[in-house]
Amino acid sequence: DIVLTQSPDSLAVSLGERATISCKSSQSVLYSGNNHNYLSWFQQKPGQPPKLLIYWASTRESGVPDRFSGSGSGTDFTLTISSVQAEDVAVYYCQQYYNTPPYTFGQGTKLEIK
Amino acid sequence: EVQLVESGGGLVQPGGSLTLSCAASGFTFSNNEMTWVRQAPGKGLEWVSYISSSGTTIYYKDSVKGRFTISRDNAKNSLYLQMNSLRAEDTAVYYCARRVGSWGQGTLVIVSS
Repeated sequence: DIVLTQSPDSLAVSLGERATISCKSSQSVLYSGNNHNYLSWFQQKPGQPPKLLIYWASTRESGVPDRFSGSGSGTDFTLTISSVQAEDVAVYYCQQYYNTPPYTFGQGTKLEIK
Repeated sequence: EVQLVESGGGLVQPGGSLTLSCAASGFTFSNNEMTWVRQAPGKGLEWVSYISSSGTTIYYKDSVKGRFTISRDNAKNSLYLQMNSLRAEDTAVYYCARRVGSWGQGTLVIVSS
């Protein structure tokens, strides 16, 4: 099974500052046939279901603010929030959906305001 | 608007059964691979099961193999998860999700005596 490891487990960022979350995969999730990275990012606020932010590693879901961006390829991926807002407090998860299941998740990264 | 609405959760005794449903709308359900994902209280996300768009290819998490059955009815735009021999460790919010895309709001399953 593909293991996704997120870092850090938690981070505290001042309002307006940049937040960066890493997701490292135990094997590549890049499919050469279509040059897509099979990786998504989700945001989960307390008491709410996960919300899709990014898919194909860097495609922003409709309606997601452009301060959220995804980058990376192969085994190393990053979610960046360019200017953290109070409403961004949440747990963030990466998920791979490469090839056949299991489609595993990272352990989550908790974002707080400093 | 894409919508996935789960139902069927509840309190069940260990060893009991429950069937979850997911009603899809706002997209072409029959073209989409679907999954069930769960989240135990205070824990992270855990993939449970997958079904191909036609329903012919199915996968399960090891710990639910032989106990859970995923199925779909493309004519009714619906996804199902039949859960038998439930255990306390199956207690979680269960989400219906497209392989790539949106998720539902979830339905809570509590396995307890």
